[in-house]
Amino acid sequence: SQQGEEDPQALSIQEGENATMNCSYKTSINNLQWYRQNSGRGLVHLILIRSNEREKHSGRLRVTLDTSKKSSSLLITASRAADTASYFCASNSGGNKLVFGAGTILRVKS
Amino acid sequence: NAGVMQNPRHLVRRRGQEARLRCSPMKGHSHVYWYRQLPEEGLKFMVYLQKENIIDESGMPKERFSAEFPKEGPSILRIQQVVRGDSAAYFCASSPLPEGTYTGNTIYFGEGSWLTVV
Repeated sequence: SQQGEEDPQALSIQEGENATMNCSYKTSINNLQWYRQNSGRGLVHLILIRSNEREKHSGRLRVTLDTSKKSSSLLITASRAADTASYFCASNSGGNKLVFGAGTILRVKS
Repeated sequence: NAGVMQNPRHLVRRRGQEARLRCSPMKGHSHVYWYRQLPEEGLKFMVYLQKENIIDESGMPKERFSAEFPKEGPSILRIQQVVRGDSAAYFCASSPLPEGTYTGNTIYFGEGSWLTVV
């Protein structure tokens, strides 16, 4: 099955609520990254977590990494309508390529 | 400092025609990556190039697809004899360092080129 699978596939929440997205991967990694993509646009890099890190914060974003379970989660706190987008995890297992998951579509209702 | 520039943003081609997608990396970046995003899917790696060299083309389809990054000018992704299944968004990314994502350095994506084959 595919590396970097995310769940849920789609998430709809109210403004102000927290949004949690999960990502699993198959092989050992050097780092894992999260990206956001607005409809019809390119990818915006959000945060990178290395394999020897367990948690990382950036503003309203919190990323965790559990290498024993080969999984990561992205938490967006106090969500805003502008957070509506697709979110992708991408793993790097060495070399120069990223392996992306299928993404989670987040909709934040105001 | 301009970001990664891709053109055209949208391209419509009839089956059997050729599609050429161009990518100018960020200033100072000599490493370029092409990814393809099929509808409702994540991005899939196609090829990694440095100036005048293809470093990793493990994600490129065996036929009809080619990529180059000449000494002067943008990187070009060329798709010959397009078919409907080639309809997708093609993203270019660039990085300043030879190891790109391996060392954990961020790569920067362009806005993509949306190819529609009719």
